[in-house]
Amino acid sequence: KQEVTQIPAALSVPEGENLVLNCSFTDSAIYNLQWFRQDPGKGLTSLLLIQSSQREQTSGRLNASLDKSSGRSTLYIAASQPGDSATYLCAVMRSGGSNYKLTFGKGTLLTVNP
Amino acid sequence: DGGITQSPKYLFRKEGQNVTLSCEQNLNHDAMYWYRQDPGQGLRLIYYSQIVNDFQKGDIAEGYSVSREKKESFPLTVTSAQKNPTAFYLCASSMAGQRTNQPQHFGDGTRLSIL
Repeated sequence: KQEVTQIPAALSVPEGENLVLNCSFTDSAIYNLQWFRQDPGKGLTSLLLIQSSQREQTSGRLNASLDKSSGRSTLYIAASQPGDSATYLCAVMRSGGSNYKLTFGKGTLLTVNP
Repeated sequence: DGGITQSPKYLFRKEGQNVTLSCEQNLNHDAMYWYRQDPGQGLRLIYYSQIVNDFQKGDIAEGYSVSREKKESFPLTVTSAQKNPTAFYLCASSMAGQRTNQPQHFGDGTRLSIL
């Protein structure tokens, strides 16, 4: 059974700092890994999707890496801003079969202080 | 604008009552999903559908039912058999499941509480 763990559970940083969020998964047989952002009381917004054949993806100040063999991914946020404050969730899509389901971690609650 | 609409935003259920949560998408996506989120927890999959008139149970389907009569709509019914229904419910959609390079898109959720 796939398990996804996110560390730390919460993180508080001053504005302008570069930071890294971690995600690990137990089964390396995956189609992709996805990073989402969730604001309080809202749904999820897709940030980055890394396919199993890729090592990283970048969007603006965000960079996500994937090391499938070790079951790890990191989300790097450069020059953090108060607007980055949210919960960040990672999810993996397990390969094999035809169900294409995502397994989510519990998230990292990020607070960026002005 | 294309997107996913969930309604209502807040819903209250009485003991022994069934309630239905609405999810509509205009993204022309084939696959739709229902998740449950409890405080401090990740999302757990309730039901999913990869094509009209077909759906499968997720990890926590007991006490829930769904239908997929139209491509755009995937309503979720929380039945009286679900003894702990208080949670935040999220609907998502994506291109056909085998398009694994495409992310899931989410609605803004329905918060269900017990009266």
